[in-house]
Amino acid sequence: DIQMTQSPSTLSASLGDRVTITCRASQSISSWLAWYQQKVGKAPKLLIYEASNLESGVPSRFSGSGSGTEFTLTISSLQPDDFATYYCQQYKSLWTFGQGTKVEIK
Amino acid sequence: EVQLVESGGGLVQPGGSLRLSCSASGFTLSSYSMNWVRQAPGKGLEWVSYISGSSSTIYYADSVKGRFTISRDNAKNSLYLQMNSLRAEDTAVYYCARGSTVTYFEYWGQGTLVTVSS
Repeated sequence: DIQMTQSPSTLSASLGDRVTITCRASQSISSWLAWYQQKVGKAPKLLIYEASNLESGVPSRFSGSGSGTEFTLTISSLQPDDFATYYCQQYKSLWTFGQGTKVEIK
Repeated sequence: EVQLVESGGGLVQPGGSLRLSCSASGFTLSSYSMNWVRQAPGKGLEWVSYISGSSSTIYYADSVKGRFTISRDNAKNSLYLQMNSLRAEDTAVYYCARGSTVTYFEYWGQGTLVTVSS
């Protein structure tokens, strides 16, 4: 089974900050990685697929990078709507999510 | 507009059964794989089960294998999850999610809560 580990678990940031979340896979997953945003009480929303492809309608301040076992999600300038929990997901071999990173207001 | 609407959640005793449904609209269900994903209260996301568009390929997470059965009726635009031998640790919000052609999850329903408790 492929394990996904996100860091940090919680991130405190201010409006306008550049934010980076890291996701590591227990073995190489090439670029078969997606990122989701989830707000409290809502379903997850797809942000990025294949590690770096922005889903249609997602603001360009979100970007993804990486391949193999190490990946990052970056928010270039944190906006009020971005306070949420973010999950990475591998889809190379079945599906596994990271444990989530909560982005909260500093 | 793609819409996925789950139903069938509720309170059930340990050892009991429940059948979840996911009604799909805005796309041709038979052209897409579908998944169930769950989220225990205050916890992260856990993939539960996958079914291909033709039902020819099915996968389950180890945590539910032998107890849960995924199925679909493309003519009725519906996805199902039959859950048997339910345990307290199955308590969660259950989401249905549409797979992309490369199998990440493009669209999600709003979820239905399953509570397993005596």
